[in-house]
Amino acid sequence: GESVGLHLPTLSVQEGDNSIINCAYSNSASDYFIWYKQESGKGPQFIIDIRSNMDKRQGQRVTVLLNKTVKHLSLQIAATQPGDSAVYFCAERGGFKTIFGAGTRLFVKA
Amino acid sequence: EADIYQTPRYLVIGTGKKITLECSQTMGHDKMYWYQQDPGMELHLIHYSYGVNSTEKGDLSSESTVSRIRTEHFPLTLESARPSHTSQYLCASSVGNEQFFGPGTRLTVL
Repeated sequence: GESVGLHLPTLSVQEGDNSIINCAYSNSASDYFIWYKQESGKGPQFIIDIRSNMDKRQGQRVTVLLNKTVKHLSLQIAATQPGDSAVYFCAERGGFKTIFGAGTRLFVKA
Repeated sequence: EADIYQTPRYLVIGTGKKITLECSQTMGHDKMYWYQQDPGMELHLIHYSYGVNSTEKGDLSSESTVSRIRTEHFPLTLESARPSHTSQYLCASSVGNEQFFGPGTRLTVL
């Protein structure tokens, strides 16, 4: 069936380093892939999305890479800051539904 | 800053009680959603709505119902709460690929 999942449940990085959060998906028909950030006690917050016909998209300090050959999505965070500590979810959207994967918890060490 | 609100934030109730979780948004979004989420885990879609008088069941059967009489209001009702309903419930509205989430209601059924 359809699934979106993450390779690692936790990731610990040093403040100032770059972070890479990975995601595998199985539905090749999805139109968009999306990253959300969820801080403790809050609802998820949209970070960035990428259309299925693109390979790379950049935002402010974040880059999303899409490799359709191996069905892999990644989120790169440059110069990781303590405020980046959160759970990150990838999601895929096809039509009306958005399917979320399990999260990766990012710890930022000072 | 997303204008989507959920009440109550926390609720502890006994088995068999009927409860309604409230969700309101002031952004005028037509599409709204209810998700169930266990801590750190993926979001499971319970119900969604395309607009007023339109509601659909999601992938997770949670024995709940929703209504959409007004654009801004999308309440979720559990007719008879059970311990298996203990979870966090997130409401969202969307425009394009971006979903705006409320802070969630953390429900505990004893």
